[in-house]
Amino acid sequence: QSVLTQPPSVSGTPGQRVTISCTGSSSNIGASYDVHWYQQLPGTVPKVLIYGNNNRPSGVPDRFSGSKSGTSASLAITGLQAEDEADYYCQSYDRSLSGLVFGGGTKLTVL
Amino acid sequence: QVQLVESGGGLVKPGGSLRLSCVASGFTFSAYGMHWVRQAPGKGLEWVALISYDGSAQYYADSAKGRFTISRDNSKNTLFLQMNSLRVEDTAVYYCAKDSGNGNYIDFWGLGTLVTVSS
Repeated sequence: QSVLTQPPSVSGTPGQRVTISCTGSSSNIGASYDVHWYQQLPGTVPKVLIYGNNNRPSGVPDRFSGSKSGTSASLAITGLQAEDEADYYCQSYDRSLSGLVFGGGTKLTVL
Repeated sequence: QVQLVESGGGLVKPGGSLRLSCVASGFTFSAYGMHWVRQAPGKGLEWVALISYDGSAQYYADSAKGRFTISRDNSKNTLFLQMNSLRVEDTAVYYCAKDSGNGNYIDFWGLGTLVTVSS
């Protein structure tokens, strides 16, 4: 059972917009800790996609965006492409656990 | 460019021990906190441990407390994870990961080393 809750899977067709939710609690996201998102393409290591709630590292397309409100956060992907098919993880810091916490991951399928 | 190269994984029996290493290059190792994160086969990411830039502070997931010890040798740009009393459920790819330094997230990951705990 992950500390942060994500839907196990989402899907969309090319060009569509999809969102992935991430729900935490008052000891992590709700305690004003930032939310970060990682993309793990099949057979590869995770890479940071969004950091600090809504910032993209250089090289990440602006089709990816993040938002945060209260105890939840969301990752939005617009103009869905086949190459976006991957596992996506949200991550924050938990003050009760004094460490990083991850969501269980969401598998994005491009139909 | 940043490189993190893990080693030390392998097959170990339940109750056994293993020591993982991670050699870092391409950045000032002694200036950043470092993490170990694991991923069981077909499962999600699980944070294991964090060590501060100078090694003075260590933090552990509940699953690692009392059994795992994170340490570092800044003179050799090397991170370690000593794992004792290993359990079947510790089977996973263990990633060495660099803390961003300014936001409690990971900005670089190693390729990982597989630890298999089985009788």
